[in-house]
Amino acid sequence: DAGVIQSPRHEVTEMGQEVTLRCKPISGHDYLFWYRQTMMRGLELLIYFNNNVPIDDSGMPEDRFSAKMPNASFSTLKIQPSEPRDSAVYFCASSFPGGWTDTQYFGPGTRLTVL
Amino acid sequence: AQKVTQAQTEISVVEKEDVTLDCVYETRDTTYYLFWYKQPPSGELVFLIRRNSFDEQNEISGRYSWNFQKSTSSFNFTITASQVVDSAVYFCALSEAQTGANNLFFGTGTRLTVIP
Repeated sequence: DAGVIQSPRHEVTEMGQEVTLRCKPISGHDYLFWYRQTMMRGLELLIYFNNNVPIDDSGMPEDRFSAKMPNASFSTLKIQPSEPRDSAVYFCASSFPGGWTDTQYFGPGTRLTVL
Repeated sequence: AQKVTQAQTEISVVEKEDVTLDCVYETRDTTYYLFWYKQPPSGELVFLIRRNSFDEQNEISGRYSWNFQKSTSSFNFTITASQVVDSAVYFCALSEAQTGANNLFFGTGTRLTVIP
């Protein structure tokens, strides 16, 4: 079975540009998570969805960040405008139905570099 | 306060040595889950194990074993006869019922280098 799919795997952009990261969760999973990993702050949860509805976006750093999940098989994380401090690895993860005890499976990540 | 502490930032061992990665957690919840993830140099996060707070049985999977001790709030991970492919950053994580579904608190990770 395919795991969580993320694209692109690497993104290099210039400050001020819009960046869109994409995620396809594992089929049948109804929770989807976006994380950011940096050397300074480690792994941080940005937002998560349940059945396509955003449940907790308290980790989203600021209004420049937005996330959507238009259907069960696709989610985007958008940064507009991007800044150098947004450079990080962004992970998407998904988990099975059944609530909080289920394991989150991570995608390969998108390494974002903002120049 | 840190909910998950991995005091060992980096560990180096020679191939075939055993190595234990420490994880200490903090929670007031009686119902919680503990996890270990592996992040190899390629960057992905690979799930290794999940334990719930009601099951203190140790677990062994091949060369990997986990020791869960509620008395010391620890969930340590041992690799027996380490191999170069074990070189990675290993993260311990905690989720609690009281902080809501799916809130995974990660430790800062331990970078393991296995020297051939």
